[in-house]
Amino acid sequence: AQTVTQSQPEMSVQEAETVTLSCTYDTSESDYYLFWYKQPPSRQMILVIRQEAYKQQNATENRFSVNFQKAAKSFSLKISDSQLGDAAMYFCAYRSGRMGAQKLVFGQGTRLTINP
Amino acid sequence: DTAVSQTPKYLVTQMGNDKSIKCEQNLGHDTMYWYKQDSKKFLKIMFSYNNKELIINETVPNRFSPKSPDKAHLNLHINSLELGDSAVYFCASSQGRGGWTDTQYFGPGTRLTVL
Repeated sequence: AQTVTQSQPEMSVQEAETVTLSCTYDTSESDYYLFWYKQPPSRQMILVIRQEAYKQQNATENRFSVNFQKAAKSFSLKISDSQLGDAAMYFCAYRSGRMGAQKLVFGQGTRLTINP
Repeated sequence: DTAVSQTPKYLVTQMGNDKSIKCEQNLGHDTMYWYKQDSKKFLKIMFSYNNKELIINETVPNRFSPKSPDKAHLNLHINSLELGDSAVYFCASSQGRGGWTDTQYFGPGTRLTVL
């Protein structure tokens, strides 16, 4: 069974600074997808960024980028120029690459605080 | 336009009662999911339906029964509610074909409190 681990329960960063959230996973599959979801106080789960395992290039979405290290099974999220609206719980998630509907396996989450 | 909606958003009830949570998606997706988020914020899959057929059924007490009247709706019925059922329940949907584009979109969640 796949597992996802986020070793940082809480992180904080000054506004406009850069912060990196860590995620490691365990799987025996070679084809899979990785995601970062954001959950602000409103409780809504919002997709931030996603990465295909067979793509070596790291995904980027505006101020959000990932560092995907397949051999190390590591998938960290970097947030540049942090903004107050980035304050939220961040969840790393894994999805099998097998065809058909597949469940998301989530990490424990990291609570990110932005200091003004 | 709300893509994935859930009702109610909040539900407070007594132990032993039976309650239902409804979910609807207007994205034209074939697959819908129920996830449970516990008090420590941990999210875990419960069920998944593809075109009204149950395809994922994790180890969940049989007091929980999902029902999908059509592919746009997936309801969750819970019998004999227990204190440990208190959680936030999220509905999600996706195309369900796997692959790069098969992103899951989540509803706003239903906070269930059992007293």
